[in-house]
Amino acid sequence: DIQMTQSPFTLSASVGDRVTITCRASQSVGGSLAWFQQKPGKAPQALIYLVSNLESAVPSRFSGSGSGTEFTLTISSLQPDDFATYYCQQSHTHPKTFGQGTKVEIK
Amino acid sequence: EVQLVESGGDLVQPGGSLRLSCAVSGFTFSNYWMSWVRQAPGKGPEWVANMNRDGSERHYVDSVKGRFTISRDNAKNSLYLQMNSLRVEDTAVYYCVRDGNGGYLHRWGQGTLVTVSS
Repeated sequence: DIQMTQSPFTLSASVGDRVTITCRASQSVGGSLAWFQQKPGKAPQALIYLVSNLESAVPSRFSGSGSGTEFTLTISSLQPDDFATYYCQQSHTHPKTFGQGTKVEIK
Repeated sequence: EVQLVESGGDLVQPGGSLRLSCAVSGFTFSNYWMSWVRQAPGKGPEWVANMNRDGSERHYVDSVKGRFTISRDNAKNSLYLQMNSLRVEDTAVYYCVRDGNGGYLHRWGQGTLVTVSS
């Protein structure tokens, strides 16, 4: 199975900060990498698919980049609605696997 | 509007069985791969199983192989997950998910809670 490792586990930041979350895969996942946002009590919501494609209605302050085994999610200017947990997920190979999550907290 | 509505979650004893259902609307169900994803309390999501458009191809995470069966009825716009020999560690919210481009987990239902406990 492909292991997905995110860093950091938690991130304390202020409104307006630029935030970067890293996701590393144990082997290449090609371009089959997605990012999700989850708020307490809610289902995860897709933000970005195929590394850098923004889901419809997702604000442009979110962006994704990377290839192969290393990927990043960047929030250019953190907004109050962005405090949540973020997960990366690979769809290159079954079983599809998720990172362990990064919780973005208010500083 | 795309909708995925799960049902069937319940409290069940270890070793028991449960069948989850997912009723979809707002899109052509038979055009999409579909997945089940679960999330144990306080943990991250875990992909469980998926199935191709006509049901001829299925994949499972190792921990449920031989115990869970994913199926679909395209005429009824419904996805199912038959869960047998349930274990305490199967306790989770189970989500029905429509796959997107490249197989990513695109659209999620609201989830149904399965609790396995004596």
